[in-house]
Amino acid sequence: KAGVTQTPRYLIKTRGQQVTLSCSPISGHRSVSWYQQTPGQGLQFLFEYFSETQRNKGNFPGRFSGRQFSNSRSEMNVSTLELGDSALYLCASSLMSGKLTGELFFGEGSRLTVL
Amino acid sequence: EDQVTQSPEALRLQEGESSSLNCSYTVSGLRGLFWYRQDPGKGPEFLFTLYSAGEEKEKERLKATLTKKESFLHITAPKPEDSATYLCAVQAPFGGAQKLVFGQGTRLTINP
Repeated sequence: KAGVTQTPRYLIKTRGQQVTLSCSPISGHRSVSWYQQTPGQGLQFLFEYFSETQRNKGNFPGRFSGRQFSNSRSEMNVSTLELGDSALYLCASSLMSGKLTGELFFGEGSRLTVL
Repeated sequence: EDQVTQSPEALRLQEGESSSLNCSYTVSGLRGLFWYRQDPGKGPEFLFTLYSAGEEKEKERLKATLTKKESFLHITAPKPEDSATYLCAVQAPFGGAQKLVFGQGTRLTINP
């Protein structure tokens, strides 16, 4: 069974540019969430999607956005990149939203460097 | 505001030397506490879910326990392959099931 797949794995952008990251969840998983991981702040929740609807959003500026497609694949976009956006962006999937298992299956992440 | 604090930040042990990692939490209405393991360059990997004080879960050399204010991850006779960063997280009282509040993690190194 394939795991959560994130692309690209590494990318370098310059300030002011925008970036789109992609996530394919485990087959059958309908819930997808995104997290940002930095050495200073650790893992921070960005947003959660279920059945193409955003169910929850973390405390990030509007430059961070996302969406989910009918096949459960998800993308997140960051516009007007800042140096502080350099981070590992992790996607996680689970079978369904609302099920209190806490068992999220994480991908290996997309490492974004902003110069 | 929900908070999770893990200690120590880093821990070095000799192979076979047992120890415990601590996770203190402040949350208004705990829905669940979770332990994950993260290897360098990888995403976190789920270990345990604990729901109520007094609950314990075990997996190989790891045992997680929960009280009303903190959780411990006990590691018994660790091996070098147990080296990783261990993350503790709580589920936010409101919102979707995937919104977890993570601690900063404990970086565990087991020397052979």
